[in-house]
Amino acid sequence: NAGVTQTPKFQVLKTGQSMTLQCAQDMNHEYMSWYRQDPGMGLRLIHYSVGAGITDQGEVPNGYNVSRSTTEDFPLRLLSAAPSQTSVYFCASTRRQGNTEAFFGQGTRLTVV
Amino acid sequence: DAKTTQPPSMDCAEGRAANLPCNHSTISGNEYVYWYRQIHSQGPQYIIHGLKNNETNEMASLIITEDRKSSTLILPHATLRDTAVYYCILPTQGGSEKLVFGKGMKLTVNP
Repeated sequence: NAGVTQTPKFQVLKTGQSMTLQCAQDMNHEYMSWYRQDPGMGLRLIHYSVGAGITDQGEVPNGYNVSRSTTEDFPLRLLSAAPSQTSVYFCASTRRQGNTEAFFGQGTRLTVV
Repeated sequence: DAKTTQPPSMDCAEGRAANLPCNHSTISGNEYVYWYRQIHSQGPQYIIHGLKNNETNEMASLIITEDRKSSTLILPHATLRDTAVYYCILPTQGGSEKLVFGKGMKLTVNP
C-alpha cells in the first residue's frame, strides 16, 4: 500500500490563480480530511469527508472547496489563491470505525506570491 | 480549542527514556488519548492511543493516570531520530477525521 499520496509536493501560485491539490489513498478508508499548517503552528482542519458524496467544513474552510466523488480521492480546490493561503497542506485518511488512527500524506508546500 | 496542555519543549539525552507529559483535565469518560508526532515538517505520524489502561507498542508506552486527567508518553530509549514535535490529542467523539492539533511539544534528543 502506498498509503496517502499527495501531489504536487511543491507549488508556487500567483495571487488570483486557481489550482487543485490532489490526495489519494489506497487503504479503502471512509474518512478523509484536509489540514493546513502555518509556520510554528499545529495543523488546522479545512474540510473533511465521511464518505463519497459527503463533505463538511472544518475550522478554516474559507477560500477552499472540496468534493468526494470516490472513496479513494479527495481533492482540495483553491478558486482564487491569496497570499494568506501560503502554507503546508496535509491530507489524512482514517477508517470509519471509532478509535482508529489517522494516516497522513507527506504534504504539499504552497506559496502564493 | 485544543483540550490538552503540553509544555512547549523538552530535551532528552540519546539513549535515555523520554517522558512526555500531557494534561487533559477536562477529558470525558469515553474520550481516548492519542499521540502523534511530526518530524521536521513531514506528515504527522501516529504513535499510540489509550482509554484508561496503560498501552505499549513497538514505538512507545502510554501511561494514563487513574483519574485520566493526565498522561505520559514514554520513549524508552530515545534516539536522534525521535527529535520531533509531539502532539497529545483527544479526538472529538472518537473520530480521527477531524483532529484538533495544538502547538504540541518539541522534543530534542541530544547526542
